Amino acid sequence: DAKTTQPPSMDCAEGRAANLPCNHSTISRNEYVYWYRQIHSQGPQYIIHGLKNNETNEMASLIITEDRKSSTLILPHATLRDTAVYYCIVRVGLYNAGNNRKLIWGLGTSLAVNP
Amino acid sequence: DVKVTQSSRYLVKRTGEKVFLECVQDMDHENMFWYRQDPGLGLRLIYFSYDVKMKEKGDIPEGYSVSREKKERFSLILESASTNQTSMYLCASVLGNQPQHFGDGTRLSIL
Repeated sequence: DAKTTQPPSMDCAEGRAANLPCNHSTISRNEYVYWYRQIHSQGPQYIIHGLKNNETNEMASLIITEDRKSSTLILPHATLRDTAVYYCIVRVGLYNAGNNRKLIWGLGTSLAVNP
Repeated sequence: DVKVTQSSRYLVKRTGEKVFLECVQDMDHENMFWYRQDPGLGLRLIYFSYDVKMKEKGDIPEGYSVSREKKERFSLILESASTNQTSMYLCASVLGNQPQHFGDGTRLSIL
């Protein structure tokens, strides 16, 4: 079973910030939070990941609460090309033997950016 | 940039055929994965490989096998295709503890 909970869908106006929440209340101390997105008819694309500090890259920002039980992905100025399904995933950082290699995928949040 | 290439974007096969889906990555990644994606079920792991000739079953391996003879190539094999294997198939690769990189998928239809 997926270890994260996300709303099934969200809307955002073009040019505004899109804030996508994720609940991971059972996250372990050594598990990272990863975000991917999947644009229609393409494979998932990595966006960002973090352990406990907030992270920012050229695509997005990741805010992780102090207790690490939830996080928010922020797209600061959403465009129509950001319309996609966004997946929040937790896993240990290192690919060791067995299940640590696997990502457990939920159904994600379908983000619609409207003009 | 890492490139993961799947041999076909769309494929149509008949029930009972043996089907090969090929995946090639160009960045010397040791770990490679095959997923299928179905509406309402998300991505589900079929098999993964952590080295040449090494493989482990994922969550739904039944009806599938895999082959990894070279590090850059990971093949998914449907031994005798059935209609319930109609799906989108996604290949991914990863180096160490880096994020997974995905191909664009193969949409397979079994008639």
